[in-house]
Amino acid sequence: QSVLTQPPSVSAAPGQKVTISCSGSSSNIGNNYVSWYQQLPGTAPKLLIYDNNKRPSGIPDRFSGSKSGTSATLGITGLQTGDEADYYCGTWDSSLSALVFGGGTKLTVL
Amino acid sequence: QVQLVESGGGLVKPGGSLRLSCAASGFTFSDYYMSWIRQAPGKGLEWVSYISSSGSTIYYADSVKGRFTISRDNAKNSLYLQMNSLRAEDTAVYYCARDQGYCSGGSCSWYFDLWGRGTLVTVSS
Repeated sequence: QSVLTQPPSVSAAPGQKVTISCSGSSSNIGNNYVSWYQQLPGTAPKLLIYDNNKRPSGIPDRFSGSKSGTSATLGITGLQTGDEADYYCGTWDSSLSALVFGGGTKLTVL
Repeated sequence: QVQLVESGGGLVKPGGSLRLSCAASGFTFSDYYMSWIRQAPGKGLEWVSYISSSGSTIYYADSVKGRFTISRDNAKNSLYLQMNSLRAEDTAVYYCARDQGYCSGGSCSWYFDLWGRGTLVTVSS
């Protein structure tokens, strides 16, 4: 059971928009910054979003992040088949003194 | 080329030990905090351990505390994970990752901006 809760799967058609939610508590998302990672099949995770809504260099602006209260959301617009991957949220948990991840969400581009 | 390369994985019996290594290149290793993160087959990511740039501050996940030891050699640009008393549930791909982050005003930012390809550890009799 992960500390952060994500939907197991989401799907949408090419060109459409999808959002992935990440729900936590005041000890993690509520008081700390959220990051998001993309893991393409058979590869290592890659940083997509940090500090709730910042994109590292090289990440297209089709990817966006937001946070409200104890939840965070990853948005992907203009979906491409190459976006099919597992997506994970992560943040520091002040009560656990540990970095925690969500259980991951599998994105299918139909 | 900025990269992290893990090694040392393999098959080990329950109760056994293994030492993982991570070789860093293309950046000033001694400037960065580092972590180990693992992923069991078909499962999600689990943060395992973190070490500060000097090695003076270390954290462990409760699941490995007392069994795993993280260390680093800045002269060799290398990160290590000594794993003892291994259990079947430690079976996973172990990733080495470069940390970024800070704490300010009671809020912390902590994320991983560079990952290795991982090394597979299988604990089975």
